[in-house]
Amino acid sequence: EAAVTQSPRNKVTVTGGNVTLSCRQTNSHNYMYWYRQDTGHGLRLIHYSYGAGNLQIGDVPDGYKATRTTQEDFFLLLELASPSQTSLYFCASSGGGAETLYFGSGTRLTVL
Amino acid sequence: GDSVTQTEGQVALSEEDFLTIHCNYSASGYPALFWYVQYPGEGPQFLFRASRDKEKGSSRGFEATYDKGTTSFHLRKASVQESDSAVYYCALGDYSGSWQLIFGSGTQLTVMP
Repeated sequence: EAAVTQSPRNKVTVTGGNVTLSCRQTNSHNYMYWYRQDTGHGLRLIHYSYGAGNLQIGDVPDGYKATRTTQEDFFLLLELASPSQTSLYFCASSGGGAETLYFGSGTRLTVL
Repeated sequence: GDSVTQTEGQVALSEEDFLTIHCNYSASGYPALFWYVQYPGEGPQFLFRASRDKEKGSSRGFEATYDKGTTSFHLRKASVQESDSAVYYCALGDYSGSWQLIFGSGTQLTVMP
């Protein structure tokens, strides 16, 4: 069974704070993704990667950085968090080439 | 750029009703089309996909047919159950140098007993 693990499950920070969301996959997948989920907008792609050291820009990248340190690990960084980044964040992995995405359980981030 | 439109934000039905959730897409190429389902407290999970015109995808009683002529991939189920209550996402698979999925805004299905 494909596995994608996100941490933390919940995070509260203040405006201007520094936040790192973590994602690890044990699927041996090349592709990893960060999405945010907001009511009325569905899932929007922030950043993605097709291998260690690679980073691709998604549709809503402003205010976010990401880093893929290994094939398994993908991090999302908010260096100056703002209330507009309050959201539910999902990480996913896939083998690429029109294959299925496997999602983690999400991280709920609140920026006060 | 490519996009996916789901016209119903919320759908409320009774058990054994017929379900239709509309999905239309806009893409320059010939994308793969997907349906994902998300239950409360979980991440989205793959339901099924279709990759070519007139192909039908199906799973757990749900089905959708890829229609290139009308650029649609509508989700249907003949008889819904309370356990089908969830958010359903239509998605388009795009390969523009690298692989990504573009999701619609989602449809909340609530089925009442």
